[in-house]
Amino acid sequence: SAVISQKPSRDICQRGTSLTIQCQVDSQVTMMFWYRQQPGQSLTLIATANQGSEATYESGFVIDKFPISRPNLTFSTLTVSNMSPEDSSIYLCSVGGNGQSSYNEQFFGPGTRLTVL
Amino acid sequence: DAKTTQPTSMDCAEGRAANLPCNHSTISGNEYVYWYRQIHSQGPQYIIHGLKNNETNEMASLIITEDRKSSTLILPHATLRDTAVYYCIVRVGWSNYQLIWGAGTKLIIKP
Repeated sequence: SAVISQKPSRDICQRGTSLTIQCQVDSQVTMMFWYRQQPGQSLTLIATANQGSEATYESGFVIDKFPISRPNLTFSTLTVSNMSPEDSSIYLCSVGGNGQSSYNEQFFGPGTRLTVL
Repeated sequence: DAKTTQPTSMDCAEGRAANLPCNHSTISGNEYVYWYRQIHSQGPQYIIHGLKNNETNEMASLIITEDRKSSTLILPHATLRDTAVYYCIVRVGWSNYQLIWGAGTKLIIKP
């Protein structure tokens, strides 16, 4: 299994500002994923971030709004840019794969609870 | 779009088996069924997954119908700590895979 930490755990931000969320894993992993979970809803995949390549964004999510970095096999960041109250959600990082074979499951971080005023 | 449908909520008595159904009638032959749960204010936790055969681990059993159009997650002896939202998920792809999440079932274990 993998142990994942996220920073910050929660934040309250003003509209128009940006927040960068960090995801740190205790082992090297091939695939990292960023999800959004709006209040009372299920998880929606924002993008897949593989080390050494550009992040792949899902329909409805764009790089200008959610830029992602993946500098190495244990770390990634997601930035929520030019925030509005509609961006208030829990943002979750997850990991899968170890560079040699795919994990059978994804492991999730504890999430970052973002409130935009 | 979600490939699974689940009841919105269910109750179960403590100590009894909790049976959570899931429909995935459009699942393809090489797509796995996964179950995760999310306890309030925590990240999702992996439970079990399967393709065709029934599976069992220390947490639960997964029963998949022969036509693969539905499945049931079984928690054999539910405790109060099993109260959570349970998600039935279809895994699409292999080396570059995605988990397609359903809406989830809120399971409440009652004393």
